[in-house]
Amino acid sequence: KQEVTQIPAALSVPEGENLVLNCSFTDSAIYNLQWFRQDPGKGLTSLLLIQSSQREQTSGRLNASLDKSSGRSTLYIAASQPGDSATYLCAVYSGGGADGLTFGKGTHLIIQP
Amino acid sequence: DAGVIQSPRHEVTEMGQEVTLRCKPISGHNSLFWYRQTMMRGLELLIYFNNNVPIDDSGMPEDRFSAKMPNASFSTLKIQPSEPRDSAVYFCASSPSGTTGELFFGEGSRLTVL
Repeated sequence: KQEVTQIPAALSVPEGENLVLNCSFTDSAIYNLQWFRQDPGKGLTSLLLIQSSQREQTSGRLNASLDKSSGRSTLYIAASQPGDSATYLCAVYSGGGADGLTFGKGTHLIIQP
Repeated sequence: DAGVIQSPRHEVTEMGQEVTLRCKPISGHNSLFWYRQTMMRGLELLIYFNNNVPIDDSGMPEDRFSAKMPNASFSTLKIQPSEPRDSAVYFCASSPSGTTGELFFGEGSRLTVL
């Protein structure tokens, strides 16, 4: 059974810093991995979707990498801003229908002005 | 596009009452998912529809929960009777390409059962 872990559970950094959020998964046989952002009281917004054949995806100040063999993904945020404060979740799709999508519990990020 | 629309956004009810949550997926998306989120358990898949047909309801906690999708633009999740342990945020999500594509979430329905 796939398990997805996100460490740390919470992170607070000063504005302007570059930072890395981590996601690890136990079964490397995955189809894709998604990073989501969740603001308080809101739904999840998809940030980046990496297919299993890809090594990374970029969108603006965000860069997500995938290393299937080691069961790891990172989300790099450049030049962080207070508006980046949110909870970031990763989700791994291992196939076999909708229950093959496994979410981590997220990293709660606070960017200090 | 307006995105996935859920109603109500907040619901407070008493134990034993019936609760109905509603979802309108993004037009053209063929897959719809209901999730439940709690602090303790994170996001849990309850049920998944593809082309309006329930494909996997193994995540539905018990017979008190039921879900329907009468057409491509509407789905309901019903809890009858509700219990305090059902208190959570319930999310609906849709996808244009089943389980392998990008998921689009609604803003959720926060349910409190007293």
